Parts: sequence; structure tokens; C-alpha cells
Amino acid sequence: QVQLQESGPGLVKPSQTLSLTCTVSGGSISSGDYYWSWIRQPPGKGLEWIGYIYYSGSTYYNPSLKSRVTISVDTSKNQFSLKLSSVTAADTAVYYCAREVPAAVNWFDPWGQGTLVTVSS
Amino acid sequence: DIQMTQSPSSLSASVGDRVTITCQASQDISNYLNWYQQKPGKAPKLLIYDASNLETGVPSRFSGSGSGTDFTFTISSLQPEDIATYYCQQYDNLPLFGGGTKVEIK
Repeated sequence: QVQLQESGPGLVKPSQTLSLTCTVSGGSISSGDYYWSWIRQPPGKGLEWIGYIYYSGSTYYNPSLKSRVTISVDTSKNQFSLKLSSVTAADTAVYYCAREVPAAVNWFDPWGQGTLVTVSS
Repeated sequence: DIQMTQSPSSLSASVGDRVTITCQASQDISNYLNWYQQKPGKAPKLLIYDASNLETGVPSRFSGSGSGTDFTFTISSLQPEDIATYYCQQYDNLPLFGGGTKVEIK
């Protein structure tokens, strides 16, 4: 079955760029059947969708983060990546990658285990 | 924009109890609602899609119902392994999650 795994630095300094990669195994990003998403969760808080990418490279971002977010895909490595610029302490969160299933109301399944990114000097 | 109100924010119940969580939309969203379970320290897991369809492998004690603006998620007989936070999710131009309901054992 499809599995996703996030990787990247756990500590980022304020004003710098957060960079994470999600490696997909057990299935191909290039299949074209799904979107590939990033979702975050600040400590003790709820879930916020960041954006998705399609295998072709087309993207869709949360308007509240759009000016700072870039999601890219590397189909040769079966990976997709997140960059979030000009981070502040408010960007401290567990970041999840997930497969987004197109439907009447898209759902997310499966999810990666998540990685905690702390923004601090 | 559609607003989602999930309630209660937390609840405490005994093993074997019937547990009900509600999610209310500010406007008609048909049956466009999903439910997730997030156990402590873990990623969310899809339980129910399209308001009432049980994801493969999910125990039948979990169920969902509703359409329009009012939705219900039910655990028919609470088990110790059901301790988690439950989230509803809809899609209004972008995916939006409810605030979550933390379920604890009394």
C-alpha cells in the first residue's frame, strides 16, 4: 500500500525558508489519479491545509499562505516538496504530507507520520 | 465562505457508551463531509467519507450520517482504543477541518 514519509530540518530560524520533502512509496505520483498535499498542525491545535501539487506540476495553495508557499514535484524520485518562506514562530507545527483523493469532497488518505518543525533562533 | 462548527470540543464517556459528535455547516454542503481520527502523537486517519461511507477496514462501531448543514459522527460502543481527537472536513474552495473533538475515557 502507499506510504508517505516526510523529511527535512526540525529547526528553522525566523525569516528563513522551511524546506520539507515527502517520499512516496508503494505507488507512483505519476499515476495521475491523485493530488499530493501538505497539511500542518500547530502544537495543540487543529489542522490547516497548505496546498497540493499534481504530477504535472500544477499547484493549488491555501490563499492565506499563498504568498510564501511553493510546492514542487520530482516524479523521477517519486517525491514532492514544500518550501515556506519568511517563517515566524507561528509556523511552528507538525507538517504532514498526504495523498489527496479527488472526490465530491476530496479526502486525505494516507498521511505521512508527520515531522515537527520549530521556528526559533 | 462556509463555516464549520464542530461540537463538543471535548467529551468524557465510559467504555461501552454511545458517543456522538456533531458538525454543522453554515450553508448546505449536501453530503460533502469526511471524518478523521487522530490518536495522540499520530497522523490523522480517514474513517468516513461522503458523510456516511465507512473507509475499508474501519470498525463498524463507527458511523456517520447527515446531509445539508447537520452531520453526526457516532461511536456505538466506545472502546479504550478509540481515545483520540476526531475532525470533520469539508471542501469550500479549499479543504477545511473542524476544530476537533477530544474523546476521553471517564
